[in-house]
Order: sequence, then structure tokens, then C-alpha cells
Amino acid sequence: KAGVTQTPRYLIKTRGQQVTLSCSPISGHRSVSWYQQTPGQGLQFLFEYFSETQRNKGNFPGRFSGRQFSNSRSEMNVSTLELGDSALYLCASVAEPGREKLFFGSGTQLSVL
Amino acid sequence: DQQVKQNSPSLSVQEGRISILNCDYTNSMFDYFLWYKKYPAEGPTFLISISSIKDKNEDGRFTVFLNKSAKHLSLHIVPSQPGDSAVYFCAASESGSARQLTFGSGTQLTVLP
Repeated sequence: KAGVTQTPRYLIKTRGQQVTLSCSPISGHRSVSWYQQTPGQGLQFLFEYFSETQRNKGNFPGRFSGRQFSNSRSEMNVSTLELGDSALYLCASVAEPGREKLFFGSGTQLSVL
Repeated sequence: DQQVKQNSPSLSVQEGRISILNCDYTNSMFDYFLWYKKYPAEGPTFLISISSIKDKNEDGRFTVFLNKSAKHLSLHIVPSQPGDSAVYFCAASESGSARQLTFGSGTQLTVLP
């Protein structure tokens, strides 16, 4: 079974631009969560989608948005990029609602210049 | 305000010895705790979890202890192996927000041969 796939692996953008990151969950997994990891920080929760609906949202500005498609694939978008948005963005999936462990992808490393 | 804290950014241990990684939390609503391991350029991988109704959970070389009164948990690795060298993250969640994990900032474990 293929794991969580995130594309692209690396991305370089300039301030003010927008970016879209993609995540394909493990086949059969319907819940997709996004996390941001910055140097020296733990992972910060961005949002979670289940059956194309956002279920939870973390404490991030409205410039951060996401969506989920009917095949459970998810995208997150960051508009008007700032230098502080440089981070590793991680996607995680889980099969059913519950306390099961999240399976993480390798992440997209975003650098904002 | 960091609700999950890992106060030791790094830990070095000799191969074969015990590694003890610590984690403190402040939110009394947390009732489920997890440990993840992360290698460079990879996403975090689940190690072990514990529910607040237990005070210990063991899986092979890994044991997690939970002290609810002190709001403290620890991960014991016995015996430590060089392949265990990685960043270890402690995470916690509340019932009703099972996949919204709050992570600590991580501890870099180095196991010396």
C-alpha cells in the first residue's frame, strides 16, 4: 500500500506570491490533516478535512486555506506569502475517525525569499 | 503558550543503555498521548501511544509512562540502538478533536556506538 504522497517536495517562492501544495492520502483513508513545522518548533496544526468538509482549524491566518476532493486528495493554499511562511508542510491521513495513529507524508519544504 | 513542552532539545546516550525522553503538558483536557520519531527529510512516524486511563504502555523496546497528576510523560527506549538516532516528538489530543494533535518541539536523540 502506498504511503501518503506530497508534491512537490521542494518549492521556492517570493513574498507576495501564492502557493498550492498537494497531498494524496493512503488509499482508503478519508481524513487528511495539515501541519506546519518551522525550525526549532514542533508541528503546528493547520486544519483537518474529512469527506470534503473541514472539521477542525488551527490558529492560522485566513491566508492559509485548504480543500479536499471526493477522492480524499487534499490541497492547501497559502496566499500573499510572507517570509515567516517558510516551513516544512506535512500532510497526514487516517482511515476512520478515532484515536488511530496519523500517517505522515514526507512533506513539502517551502522557502519564501 | 506551549501546551506540550519538551525541555531537552537534545540527548546523547551510549548504545545498549536506556534513553529517557521527557514531555510535560499543561492542558488538563488532553486524554491521549503519542510519540513520533522523525528522520531528516522524512515525515514523522508513529511509535507508541497511551490513553489517560493508563499509566504505562509497552511495545517492544519502547515504553511510555504517564503521570497525570504531574502532567508528565516519558518515553523509555531499552536498549538504545544507533538506528534510534532521530528527533522524537511528543503529541497530545483531546477527545472530540482526535486528529488535532498538539506537538512538543522535539528532542534530538543521538545514540553513540
